[in-house]
Amino acid sequence: GQNIDQPTEMTATEGAIVQINCTYQTSGFNGLFWYQQHAGEAPTFLSYNVLDGLEEKGRFSSFLSRSKGYSYLLLKELQMKDSASYLCAVSPLYNQGGKLIFGQGTELSVKP
Amino acid sequence: DGGITQSPKYLFRKEGQNVTLSCEQNLNHDAMYWYRQDPGQGLRLIYYSQIVNDFQKGDIAEGYSVSREKKESFPLTVTSAQKNPTAFYLCATLRDTNTEAFFGQGTRLTVV
Repeated sequence: GQNIDQPTEMTATEGAIVQINCTYQTSGFNGLFWYQQHAGEAPTFLSYNVLDGLEEKGRFSSFLSRSKGYSYLLLKELQMKDSASYLCAVSPLYNQGGKLIFGQGTELSVKP
Repeated sequence: DGGITQSPKYLFRKEGQNVTLSCEQNLNHDAMYWYRQDPGQGLRLIYYSQIVNDFQKGDIAEGYSVSREKKESFPLTVTSAQKNPTAFYLCATLRDTNTEAFFGQGTRLTVV
């Protein structure tokens, strides 16, 4: 089977650091994506991890452990505009057609 | 500017009617996708197309139909057979497997 789990919602304070976790069980694995989606808008690409380890991109970092089926998105120096839904998506092995399997998304609220 | 255009942004449908959602891209990407998003849920794949004149069913294709007569266009028809069509619909394209997906701005469909 294929299953991706993320917390439904999180709250953090402006200027702080927040970690959004994602666990997955899929029939094979090719890589993991993180997207940001503001309410009523299109998801926008944040990161792609295919190898174990941490990928840093400005205030955002993403970590992957293939053996544990685990990833997290780390947001530093939180800003009010970071309030959004964060989607974890897995590209399964032998991916026919480029299909992605999405988690339900984590709604992050940044408070002043 | 290259991108994906979905229209209309908001659409209202009466019970028993078919409606067609437009998706046009000028990114020259071969693969195109339709996802449905419901509140508190992740994106679910409806249909996808890897090449002109070919398309495959996704996980929730019942009650929907598509066509791919041109590389740039991948319209989605929501038929009267779809019993719960109220949702946010997102069109996406992919340059290659395991690369980032680009999303349109979405169409919010409401049954009245």
